[in-house]
Amino acid sequence: NAGVTQTPKFRILKIGQSMTLQCTQDMNHNYMYWYRQDPGMGLKLIYYSVGAGITDKGEVPNGYNVSRSTTEDFPLRLELAAPSQTSVYFCASSSGANVLTFGAGSRLTVL
Amino acid sequence: GQSLEQPSEVTAVEGAIVQINCTYQTSGFYGLSWYQQHDGGAPTFLSYNALDGLEETGRFSSFLSRSDSYGYLLLQELQMKDSASYFCAGNTGGFKTIFGAGTRLFVKA
Repeated sequence: NAGVTQTPKFRILKIGQSMTLQCTQDMNHNYMYWYRQDPGMGLKLIYYSVGAGITDKGEVPNGYNVSRSTTEDFPLRLELAAPSQTSVYFCASSSGANVLTFGAGSRLTVL
Repeated sequence: GQSLEQPSEVTAVEGAIVQINCTYQTSGFYGLSWYQQHDGGAPTFLSYNALDGLEETGRFSSFLSRSDSYGYLLLQELQMKDSASYFCAGNTGGFKTIFGAGTRLFVKA
């Protein structure tokens, strides 16, 4: 049982480039989340989804987009990358019982 | 606004008991969770309180008082491997879950 799988694990982008962070879960969870974590800081909610076709903004959505075409997948798109988006990104899923299962994280550097 | 406040760091000795507090300000609140994160790792779930009172899971206990907008995580019989960051998280309704800034726990021998 793989749980929550994120790709890539590491990525370096140049300013202005775009990319998509992939997230897939095999637990049939309805709820999925994207967080970013800056060094020594807490997790900030970027976007979340309560089911296929439904997404909503979190605390820090600017500069990001998401889609949820299937229950399993919740990709996060960065458009026009900026140095402020250098962070570790965590995807998580939940069955709704207030227990989030996290992926291993994707470390993104924007230079 | 919606926020959860925790102390930035706590230090304790091996074998001792430590309490990590969390106060929250949020409209519409559906329970408090706790997560552990070791350096370089992902957060992992520890405990959840939907109602007031104490929840116990082995060496870890969590408490919630909704009237005081306050909760805490209690770690007993501290071990070196408990050195990590601990986050409280609140479900603010509609399954939007936000996190506190985290408390870094240092366990000394």
